[in-house]
Amino acid sequence: AQSVTQLGSHVSVSEGALVLLRCNYSSSVPPYLFWYVQYPNQGLQLLLKYTTGATLVKGINGFEAEFKKSETSFHLTKPSAHMSDAAEYFCAVSLFGGAQKLVFGQGTRLTINP
Amino acid sequence: GAGVSQSPRYKVAKRGQDVALRCDPISGHVSLFWYQQALGQGPEFLTYFQNEAQLDKSGLPSDRFFAERPEGSVSTLKIQRTQQEDSAVYLCASSWILAGGRSFETQYFGPGTRLLVL
Repeated sequence: AQSVTQLGSHVSVSEGALVLLRCNYSSSVPPYLFWYVQYPNQGLQLLLKYTTGATLVKGINGFEAEFKKSETSFHLTKPSAHMSDAAEYFCAVSLFGGAQKLVFGQGTRLTINP
Repeated sequence: GAGVSQSPRYKVAKRGQDVALRCDPISGHVSLFWYQQALGQGPEFLTYFQNEAQLDKSGLPSDRFFAERPEGSVSTLKIQRTQQEDSAVYLCASSWILAGGRSFETQYFGPGTRLLVL
């Protein structure tokens, strides 16, 4: 069975600092990997996804993530945090084929300090 | 439409009441998913439709939960005899992906329906 672990339910960084949100997954076969962002009272918005090909994936709003198979990780980074990045971030995994339902981590709340 | 819409946005129900939550997917999207998001948790899969066919309902927590998509577009999630543990945000998502397809299309999420059972 697939599972996702997000290390740190809360992360706080200063504006302009590096953002690093950690995600590790468990899957018996190569998965598809996703990062979603959720703003208060809104649905989930896709930041980026890894399916095949290049392991460094660039997404919206300056975020990127690197798929590391040997470490079963898909950490999300952004070089310089902006106040508007404050939100809840979810890492998710899905298997190739099938119904492709998403299995989510518990989320990381990102706070940006001025 | 511009995106996935859900109604109502908020619903307060008394324990034991039946509720119906509606999802309008993006026009033409084949696949539709329902997820349940408890407070402070990530969303959890409930059920999946491909057009009008419900192909996976493995995530429905009990037989009080029922979902339908009779014409392959709008979907309704119904919860009978609501319990306090049903309080959560119910998210709907739609996409182009077909079951068994070799590519993954993005799931687009609606804003959710926040259900509070008293």
